[in-house]
Amino acid sequence: GDSVTQMEGPVTLSEEAFLTINCTYTATGYPSLFWYVQYPGEGLQLLLKATKADDKGSNKGFEATYRKETTSFHLEKGSVQVSDSAVYFCALSDPGGSEKLVFGKGTKLTVNP
Amino acid sequence: DTAVSQTPKYLVTQMGNDKSIKCEQNLGHDTMYWYKQDSKKFLKIMFSYNNKELIINETVPNRFSPKSPDKAHLNLHINSLELGDSAVYFCASSRGGGGNTEAFFGQGTRLTVV
Repeated sequence: GDSVTQMEGPVTLSEEAFLTINCTYTATGYPSLFWYVQYPGEGLQLLLKATKADDKGSNKGFEATYRKETTSFHLEKGSVQVSDSAVYFCALSDPGGSEKLVFGKGTKLTVNP
Repeated sequence: DTAVSQTPKYLVTQMGNDKSIKCEQNLGHDTMYWYKQDSKKFLKIMFSYNNKELIINETVPNRFSPKSPDKAHLNLHINSLELGDSAVYFCASSRGGGGNTEAFFGQGTRLTVV
């Protein structure tokens, strides 16, 4: 079945450091790819998405590019802030299928001042 | 106005009890979901409803019974609670019509079974 593998955390960075969180997927079709963020004590919020190969999703300084050849969707940010501390989830959804999201295990990011 | 709201936020109960979690969305979405997040933060879908009709049931024990009285509500009833049911349960909704639409999540219900 479909699956998502993302780098396990926790990840601890200093403010203004560069962030990469790796995500790779396995899917039978052509999934849409998402990054969701969960701030402490809250539900998940969509951070960005990409629906086809070579699409780049971006939001709040975060970016991820849908790479079909490497089945990857790595999340990057050039300069993290303390307010970016959260758990980040990579996910996929099969557009032709059941619409459920399949999540990676989440990566906890802590940014220190 | 909260887009997806679920109640209660916290639920502590004894083994063997029956409990319900309620979820409502005011986004006009056709599809609603229940996800379970375990202690390691891993999220997995449990159920999905589209226009009050069950479309996904991911091998969840039949002690869990979702009910959708209308397309804006999806409640989760759990019978004979077990220690392993302790988790955070998230309700979500989406426009449906294809898997590239955003899902909106509620704040979660932290269920603790003692």
